[in-house]
Amino acid sequence: AQKITQTQPGMFVQEKEAVTLDCTYDTSDQSYGLFWYKQPSSGEMIFLIYQGSYDEQNATEGRYSLNFQKARKSANLVISASQLGDSAMYFCAMRENKAAGNKLTFGGGTRVLVKP
Amino acid sequence: NAGVTQTPKFRILKIGQSMTLQCTQDMNHNYMYWYRQDPGMGLKLIYYSVGAGITDKGEVPNGYNVSRSTTEDFPLRLELAAPSQTSVYFCASSAEETQYFGPGTRLLVL
Repeated sequence: AQKITQTQPGMFVQEKEAVTLDCTYDTSDQSYGLFWYKQPSSGEMIFLIYQGSYDEQNATEGRYSLNFQKARKSANLVISASQLGDSAMYFCAMRENKAAGNKLTFGGGTRVLVKP
Repeated sequence: NAGVTQTPKFRILKIGQSMTLQCTQDMNHNYMYWYRQDPGMGLKLIYYSVGAGITDKGEVPNGYNVSRSTTEDFPLRLELAAPSQTSVYFCASSAEETQYFGPGTRLLVL
């Protein structure tokens, strides 16, 4: 079974609107971390936001927020007030078993295209 | 700080050739990682290291080798390149939770 699932291969969003990118995960660990990375067409991987499994509040970083629903094992990324520069691939990733090197498992990604 | 640097940016290899992908970080991070990204896919872990002298296999280690003689450097060695190793290779490092990535090396094996 996939550990990280991103069910939306691609989506369009109108400039200045909000968009939600879905991410569900599967783990039996009690302590884990969830990450979102952005990969623009230039190819680099840019860290956006992190949520720890014990964090009670949803993480926020500027226009990015992470809607963490632990019981549903989901960690959706919300981008508010979309900008043309938000057009990119977005990857959800999970860190399990901190004692084993903080390794990340990535989802397949969601491509976002922001329309003017 | 340069962060994580990778060389080369792009390389074409012939089947059976070998090469080393270089990765250096200047953030004094203990953890370092090598991932590959095939077209249209997410990243898969090849090898990782929790500190100098310590390395371990990730999800897709076959055909690769690594070493970690210093905190800063984590080279990835490809022996006997195969077309299946055509990919983009990312190196990353972390102190604790967040991994920071290098710009990637695009490798084409023909």
